[in-house]
Amino acid sequence: LAKTTQPISMDSYEGQEVNITCSHNNIATNDYITWYQQFPSQGPRFIIQGYKTKVTNEVASLFIPADRKSSTLSLPRVSLSDTAVYYCLVGAKGNEKLTFGTGTRLTIIP
Amino acid sequence: DTGVSQDPRHKITKRGQNVTFRCDPISEHNRLYWYRQTLGQGPEFLTYFQNEAQLEKSRLLSDRFSAERPKGSFSTLEIQRTEQGDSAMYLCASSLAYAYTFGSGTRLTVV
Repeated sequence: LAKTTQPISMDSYEGQEVNITCSHNNIATNDYITWYQQFPSQGPRFIIQGYKTKVTNEVASLFIPADRKSSTLSLPRVSLSDTAVYYCLVGAKGNEKLTFGTGTRLTIIP
Repeated sequence: DTGVSQDPRHKITKRGQNVTFRCDPISEHNRLYWYRQTLGQGPEFLTYFQNEAQLEKSRLLSDRFSAERPKGSFSTLEIQRTEQGDSAMYLCASSLAYAYTFGSGTRLTVV
């Protein structure tokens, strides 16, 4: 599985757009990029998944450049409730083992 | 359906005791997974089932650990002769196709 690198932590103010970038230089052709969110004392929650270009859902956007060696999770107009750890994962669909790194601890400041 | 349920939410046990955790997956999900998460780290894969068959086990799953899913529905994870290093959050997840849903976990503290 491709290894991912993310910032350990980030701070942002309420109402701002937050972009968290993940590096995955060794991503394979059949790998997808998936982001999870985890609150304290809860399990991770799926946010978004993509293969290339841009994916948007009601929660976030995912930007993937043409070389796919990195990806950026974009959270629009964050609120205090977005304070969480965000994990970037890469792997083939159908791969039964999710491999989590240490994630990015995002803190939203009032 | 309320999602993936785990019981208990918290367990404190003395070193050397056996503990058992239960996971109830989303009813139509045929795959069930166990992960372990220690403080400051991401979850680590332990094992997974497709229906009642245990198809893969991580090297992290020592001989003291055993997991079952007898009827392809709920699953149990047992840890025998607990050690302080077993203290962690044990997460269960289920899936149908490629979408995982995690439970809230069982936090184990071995004293």
